[in-house]
Amino acid sequence: DTGVSQDPRHKITKRGQNVTFRCDPISEHNRLYWYRQTLGQGPEFLTYFQNEAQLEKSRLLSDRFSAERPKGSFSTLEIQRTEQGDSAMYLCASSPRTSGRADLGEQFFGPGTRLTVL
Amino acid sequence: ILNVEQSPQSLHVQEGDSTNFTCSFPSSNFYALHWYRWETAKSPEALFVMTLNGDEKKKGRISATLNTKEGYSYLYIKGSQPEDSATYLCAPDPGTYKYIFGTGTRLKVLA
Repeated sequence: DTGVSQDPRHKITKRGQNVTFRCDPISEHNRLYWYRQTLGQGPEFLTYFQNEAQLEKSRLLSDRFSAERPKGSFSTLEIQRTEQGDSAMYLCASSPRTSGRADLGEQFFGPGTRLTVL
Repeated sequence: ILNVEQSPQSLHVQEGDSTNFTCSFPSSNFYALHWYRWETAKSPEALFVMTLNGDEKKKGRISATLNTKEGYSYLYIKGSQPEDSATYLCAPDPGTYKYIFGTGTRLKVLA
């Protein structure tokens, strides 16, 4: 399977615990994105990497959240001291960098990690 | 900040019925519009990416139109099948690669 993969698919944790999610993008894609979807809402942008550089972070990404992409390949998203409000589906996506003006930035999504904080 | 609205939020149709959904977005700062289909327990799947006013795209029984001047896109499904049951998401892209998703339309096709 050459699509975007995420691990784990489901995570149940107790409030106050730390959790870490992993995303493996499509191998030739140099852009990687994290989104969060809460109940009744569409996915919301969290952060964006180009290679190993984190170029943008949403205001939604509080100081308890940290994302890394150390070698420009896989990425991790860590949530420290989880709160019940962190319960959501966390989606990862990747896209290739294309040349020329017709860069439509189409993003390919993984299946998500569903986090439940008790 | 883009305000993206999708309607209806959910609907149930009988197998064989045709249906359509709407995605509304501010017409300023428009670069592209993406439609995704998201089945339960699967990855969101790209359906269409549209850029030009008046664009029409088709993929099997599914088609989409785009009006960038008035800020809307329609998605049509002809002869709905149970396998079309999914959440359909639209995402205008202002050229920043930071998608702003609508809340989605949840479609259930009854056999």
